[in-house]
Amino acid sequence: AQTVTQSQPEMSVQEAETVTLSCTYDTSESNYYLFWYKQPPSRQMILVIRQEAYKQQNATENRFSVNFQKAAKSFSLKISDSQLGDTAMYFCAFNEGEYNAGNMLTFGGGTRLMVKP
Amino acid sequence: GAGVSQSPSNKVTEKGKDVELRCDPISGHTALYWYRQSLGQGLEFLIYFQGNSAPDKSGLPSDRFSAERTGGSVSTLTIQRTQQEDSAVYLCASSLVFSPPSGTLHFGNGTRLTVT
Repeated sequence: AQTVTQSQPEMSVQEAETVTLSCTYDTSESNYYLFWYKQPPSRQMILVIRQEAYKQQNATENRFSVNFQKAAKSFSLKISDSQLGDTAMYFCAFNEGEYNAGNMLTFGGGTRLMVKP
Repeated sequence: GAGVSQSPSNKVTEKGKDVELRCDPISGHTALYWYRQSLGQGLEFLIYFQGNSAPDKSGLPSDRFSAERTGGSVSTLTIQRTQQEDSAVYLCASSLVFSPPSGTLHFGNGTRLTVT
């Protein structure tokens, strides 16, 4: 079974600074998908960024980028120019990419990020 | 509607009572998923539907939990004889299809269940 580990329960960063959230995972699959979701106080899970394991290039979405290290099974999220609206829980998630598993996701325990003014 | 809708938003119930949680997925989405998020924890997968069928119910925590989906749309998660450990946020998500995977799920705002 796949596992996803987020080792930082809480983090804080000053507004406009850069912060990196860590995620490691365990799988025997070779083709899979990794995600970062944001959960603000509204509770809705919002997709931040998505990475396909067979792509070596790290995904980027505006101020959000990932450092995907496939051999190390590491998938960290970097938030540049942090904004107050980035304050939220961040979840790393894994999809095993197999037809039978469909779109089911396995989530890490989350990192609570506080952006300070 | 434009997104996944869940009701009620919050539910407080007494221990031993039954509760029903409702999820209305995005129109046209054939796959639907239920997750549970306990306080300060990650998301625990409960069950998924392909159309009206739930092929694997092994993620449900106990036989007090059941779920159904009718008409390929609305789903109901029922918890019988609620216990305090059932207190959590119950999140519903949908995707256009179950497979092939793209991993893109659309989530609702969840139902916060509190059992007193």
